[in-house]
Amino acid sequence: EEQLVQSGAEVKKPGESLKISCKGSRNSFTYYWIAWVRQMPGRGLEYMGIIYPGDSETKYSPSFQGQVTISADKSTSTAYLQWSSLKASDTAMYYCARLLNQDDAFDIWGQGTMVTVSS
Amino acid sequence: SYELTQPPSVSVSPGQTASITCSGDKLGDKYASWYQQKPGQSPVLVIYEDTKRPSGIPERFSGSNSANSGNTATLTISGTQAMDEADYYCQAWDSSSGVFGGGTKLTVL
Repeated sequence: EEQLVQSGAEVKKPGESLKISCKGSRNSFTYYWIAWVRQMPGRGLEYMGIIYPGDSETKYSPSFQGQVTISADKSTSTAYLQWSSLKASDTAMYYCARLLNQDDAFDIWGQGTMVTVSS
Repeated sequence: SYELTQPPSVSVSPGQTASITCSGDKLGDKYASWYQQKPGQSPVLVIYEDTKRPSGIPERFSGSNSANSGNTATLTISGTQAMDEADYYCQAWDSSSGVFGGGTKLTVL
């Protein structure tokens, strides 16, 4: 079964850049949409955006458009989420998740990457 | 922007039936999915396409969604067990963007 393995926890200062990753375990990674979901401390799940690693088509939630960049490298079955200038309010757990089908459910989730932004 | 509304909390006694609702405009015309999240863990899909259970999810979990039910999707847990205590999130798609409900904390007491 496909697994999504995310990069480790990060501690950064405001204004710094960051790129976190989500690696699929199988070649089928290329044929599924991969989403990023934010969960701020003690809060609910927020959809950020999604990418199709096969051709890197990307769609962003209006709430996150321009705030982050989602990318992928199909040769390594890896999706990325990056910030050019972090803010304290970016402190959260970030999950990647595989989309089962168009407009459907997220059936496989990564273990999450905790990002802490503090001066 | 599209919103999905869930009750913040639901309480149930062990062995009883728990129902968690999720309401949204024209939700009955969309697929609803449900996720269980326990403290410190990643979300787990428990219901997709309104009524389907992924492999490994117990039969006590079921879902419904209909325009006839006031555009409300419902997650039902029959014979609730202590291990079902968790946060539950509904999710749907609107205008090619995913949307999650605010989450419901299920307490089994």
